[in-house]
Amino acid sequence: DMKVTQMPRYLIKRMGENVLLECGQDMSHETMYWYRQDPGLGLQLIYISYDVDSNSEGDIPKGYRVSRKKREHFSLILDSAKTNQTSVYFCASSAGTGAERLFFGHGTKLSVL
Amino acid sequence: GDSVTQTEGQVTVSESKSLIINCTYSTTSIAYPNLFWYVRYPGEGLQLLLKVITAGQKGSSRGFEATYNKETTSFHLQKASVQESDSAVYYCALAHDTNAYKVIFGKGTHLHVLP
Repeated sequence: DMKVTQMPRYLIKRMGENVLLECGQDMSHETMYWYRQDPGLGLQLIYISYDVDSNSEGDIPKGYRVSRKKREHFSLILDSAKTNQTSVYFCASSAGTGAERLFFGHGTKLSVL
Repeated sequence: GDSVTQTEGQVTVSESKSLIINCTYSTTSIAYPNLFWYVRYPGEGLQLLLKVITAGQKGSSRGFEATYNKETTSFHLQKASVQESDSAVYYCALAHDTNAYKVIFGKGTHLHVLP
């Protein structure tokens, strides 16, 4: 069905709480990504996963970690969330690399109070 | 490093009028990058609008066109007659085959089409 699904769509957390953002895809894509977007900024790459248990830091990995135990599922974890992590988070996947085409989820709007 | 600069903020156009959203890129690589336009409609995720991988070529989709100009390092998005349904956020992006996992996005341009 060529879909990337993110859960939840909206999330409100208090500073210091742990946050789990989940992403699934039904295309058996090897590569998955986590981006964040803030007002006035482009999409910033947090982490890339090349396949199960094969992850690499992107441009802004500090304060985040990821988990990929199944090819179709990629999680973003914020341990002890901070207010500056308030943002919209996008998950994406690609069959090969981003030089081909990225498929995006709808995004998760996270507010850390 | 690489970067993408596009028309910032919001662009408002009346229905049936023409549109251009500017995009220029900068790269430190000797290789020409692949260039993309992605679009995010309200309530949806980003989706690929068009892609061009060869300098001098034009891509088109849904009435939109963009030409890869390596001399001016530009990839402007144009449409001759916009519709209200084109209201969305448009992102210019680039990626190199040599480091293809790294996609560089512009900040996005919010197009608002007036009925």
